[in-house]
Amino acid sequence: QGQLVESGGGVVQPGRSLRLSCGVPRFTFGYSAIHWVRQAPGKGLEWVAVLSYDGSSEYYADSVKGRFTVSRDTSTNTLFLHMNSLRDEDTAVYYCATDVRSYCTGCKYWGQGTLVTVSS
Amino acid sequence: QSALTQPPSASGSPGQSVTISCTGTTSDVGTYNYVFWYQQHPGKAPKLIIYDVTQRPSGVPDRFSGSKSGNTASLTVSGLQAEDEAYYHCSSYAGSNNLIFGGGTKLTVL
Repeated sequence: QGQLVESGGGVVQPGRSLRLSCGVPRFTFGYSAIHWVRQAPGKGLEWVAVLSYDGSSEYYADSVKGRFTVSRDTSTNTLFLHMNSLRDEDTAVYYCATDVRSYCTGCKYWGQGTLVTVSS
Repeated sequence: QSALTQPPSASGSPGQSVTISCTGTTSDVGTYNYVFWYQQHPGKAPKLIIYDVTQRPSGVPDRFSGSKSGNTASLTVSGLQAEDEAYYHCSSYAGSNNLIFGGGTKLTVL
């Protein structure tokens, strides 16, 4: 129940782009806000972005604003994180997580994460 | 915006209680009752254990409890068990549709 599945991680050079995907259970897609959260190696969690339950609004952490974009495909219940101009400090495990509510409050169900390594 | 402040480590013996703090500001913890706590075992995804400061999701043992006073939230684990050894993270709503996390606390069961 509530299982989210991320994919798309890998090794990418600085300055390049990468797109992550997150498969969201049907029962929560369109009802809950959905977050992207990352965790650099050996570090704590860092909130990255959130998409509102209806896909009409998106909000970003200052560290990624202007470089990362969230979108969704309602036909496949999939959330995307488009990452541009990647930097070394973007290296992390990226998790998608549904909110407890339809708006931004905190994370309930989490995926298993996908590792992004930015390195030349 | 700076991360919420958590102690890097905490410890206790089996059966004892341990409390982990999460300190923010009037812009986050002190204003909103959207404080969440997560448990994370090494190599695993975080798991929600407390939401809205004090609420436990279904299936989370009542040994886990949360509270808040002013700008500081706390997670108490009572009757420590070996499987409670993990990292614990807090998060708070910070206004303007932003979340903020703490740096995480490693709980060791002695």
